Amino acid sequence: RKEVEQDPGPFNVPEGATVAFNCTYSNSASQSFFWYRQDCRKEPKLLMSVYSSGNEDGRFTAQLNRASQYISLLIRDSKLSDSATYLCVVTNFVFGPGTRLSVLP
Amino acid sequence: NAGVTQTPKFQVLKTGQSMTLQCAQDMNHEYMSWYRQDPGMGLRLIHYSVGAGITDQGEVPNGYNVSRSTTEDFPLRLLSAAPSQTSVYFCASSYPRDSPNTGELFFGEGSRLTVL
Repeated sequence: RKEVEQDPGPFNVPEGATVAFNCTYSNSASQSFFWYRQDCRKEPKLLMSVYSSGNEDGRFTAQLNRASQYISLLIRDSKLSDSATYLCVVTNFVFGPGTRLSVLP
Repeated sequence: NAGVTQTPKFQVLKTGQSMTLQCAQDMNHEYMSWYRQDPGMGLRLIHYSVGAGITDQGEVPNGYNVSRSTTEDFPLRLLSAAPSQTSVYFCASSYPRDSPNTGELFFGEGSRLTVL
């Protein structure tokens, strides 16, 4: 089993839709969790950290479920500019394979 | 403040040739790393360093060497290039692991390598 797995995607959603991605991790000792965003042929950039209590940044909400060992990212009111690949990152900078999102007009 | 600078951005090699991908950061980060990204595979860690003089292997180290003689620089050497090393390579740096900022990796723009 891979250390970090993500919804394979791609997700194609209309503008304004709400979309959620999941990421599961195998190491129960993991302490740090993050979502990164990567635009086509560009470097990844930090989108948000994921805290135990969950956290929100504008249209983006991240949740952590330690019992089931997964984190999630919810994007509300999707914009065309949200089209990208979303990478889940766990302790020690282990990356998931990414989930590609295309927001359609 | 340039952040993380990688060179070259593009390179074509022939099988068996050697080359070095350069990476420099000006943020005084202790942690530096190299990833390769292949379609459908996500980012895979090649080597990393937690400080000058200290390096360690990641998930896919074979065929690559690194050294960390200064805090700023972390070059990646391909000893004898193979077509399987065709990929996009990213260098990244971060604060020390016990810093409140731990977890944010700052990436270079990537180096696209083709091995024929």
